[in-house]
Amino acid sequence: QVQLRESGPGLVKPSQTLSLTCAVSGVSISSSDSYWTWIRQSAGKGLEWIGRIYTSGTTNYNPSLKSRVTISIDTSKNHFSLKLSSVTAADTAVYYCSRGPWDWGQGILVTVSS
Amino acid sequence: EIVMTQSPATLSVSPGERATLSCRASQSVSSNLAWYQQKPGQAPRLLIYGASTRATGIPDRFSGSGSGTEFTLTISSLQSEDFAVYYCQQYDDWPTFGQGTKVESK
Repeated sequence: QVQLRESGPGLVKPSQTLSLTCAVSGVSISSSDSYWTWIRQSAGKGLEWIGRIYTSGTTNYNPSLKSRVTISIDTSKNHFSLKLSSVTAADTAVYYCSRGPWDWGQGILVTVSS
Repeated sequence: EIVMTQSPATLSVSPGERATLSCRASQSVSSNLAWYQQKPGQAPRLLIYGASTRATGIPDRFSGSGSGTEFTLTISSLQSEDFAVYYCQQYDDWPTFGQGTKVESK
């Protein structure tokens, strides 16, 4: 059974960089023919797709976030990561990682506040 | 950006009744449309992809239809565990979600 778990700081200061990791178990991230995604959910904007990465390293990002987002993959640790720079209160949300549309993590609440 | 609009915002249904949820895209997305179910405190769960294909383990009371810009999710006989929020998502372009339809008990 594929499982994903998000981890990282629950509180980030404005203008800093939000960094999250998604640990994958039950499947090798390097052998999967799927893609790996970050999505967030806030009261104000609902569900928002952030971006995805393929095992090849190819990435696609939400155009509205592209200038601030980096998604990377570490096959040796079987995890992938999200970095979102220059955060503001508008980036406060529950952040989810997923394998394609199929398997999702439980989500992690990240609050941006000083 | 392709804007997804769901209606109604809230649907009040009695157990055993049929529920029909609508989703409209601002431009054609072909059949690149998924439906998700989300319960409080949980991540969304994929129900339907390709507009009409049920994901693994999804009961056959859930069905999806449509193509282009108009889509429908039908729950043929609502069970107590089906009360939740439902989202449509297009993936024809970079993915975008609708704002959700809450299915509540009448």
